[in-house]
Amino acid sequence: EAQVTQNPRYLITVTGKKLTVTCSQNMNHEYMSWYRQDPGLGLRQIYYSMNVEVTDKGDVPEGYKVSRKEKRNFPLILESPSPNQTSLYFCASSYTGRGETQYFGPGTRLLVL
Amino acid sequence: AQSVTQLDSQVPVFEEAPVELRCNYSSSVSVYLFWYVQYPNQGLQLLLKYLSGSTLVKGINGFEAEFNKSQTSFHLRKPSVHISDTAEYFCAVSRGSYIPTFGRGTSLIVHP
Repeated sequence: EAQVTQNPRYLITVTGKKLTVTCSQNMNHEYMSWYRQDPGLGLRQIYYSMNVEVTDKGDVPEGYKVSRKEKRNFPLILESPSPNQTSLYFCASSYTGRGETQYFGPGTRLLVL
Repeated sequence: AQSVTQLDSQVPVFEEAPVELRCNYSSSVSVYLFWYVQYPNQGLQLLLKYLSGSTLVKGINGFEAEFNKSQTSFHLRKPSVHISDTAEYFCAVSRGSYIPTFGRGTSLIVHP
């Protein structure tokens, strides 16, 4: 089954404790991205990747890091989480990114205390 | 720069009634337009998209949308809604760049 998976689905952590949210897709998509969803703000893109070893900032990259060492995986790293990063995070992928349908993961709900 | 405005944050409607969710965009160039749906506790999935051609686009679950270039709108419609259509709906615009812009979402609440 074609899908985007994220882990963990739920995470509670404390300020400053490094964490990684994994994202994996099995559709051989070149383009992957991370979004955060906050009430009243919709989805905002954090980072995106056009292919292996190629990443770029989205609209709200501060406080986040990403890497793309393999085509199927695109982890999101919070080196020192802060309470304002409490949010719902989505990973998405598409074949090339340009105007194409994005396939979304189920989301990761993060609470930073 | 591109932007998307979803004019209603919440739309309550009775089951079997028609519904329209409004979306306006701003962009100085041609765009691709999307509607995504998010059911409770799930990720987003594509309802329909406009890339070019016919301005009336049909999607899944009986939804359709009309691209109006002169009014820069892409409103979503369904002639008769079901309880199962209760969800969050997002309009998105892309100029073909890698960074699509999403609207803030419209919560459709279908009452029995």
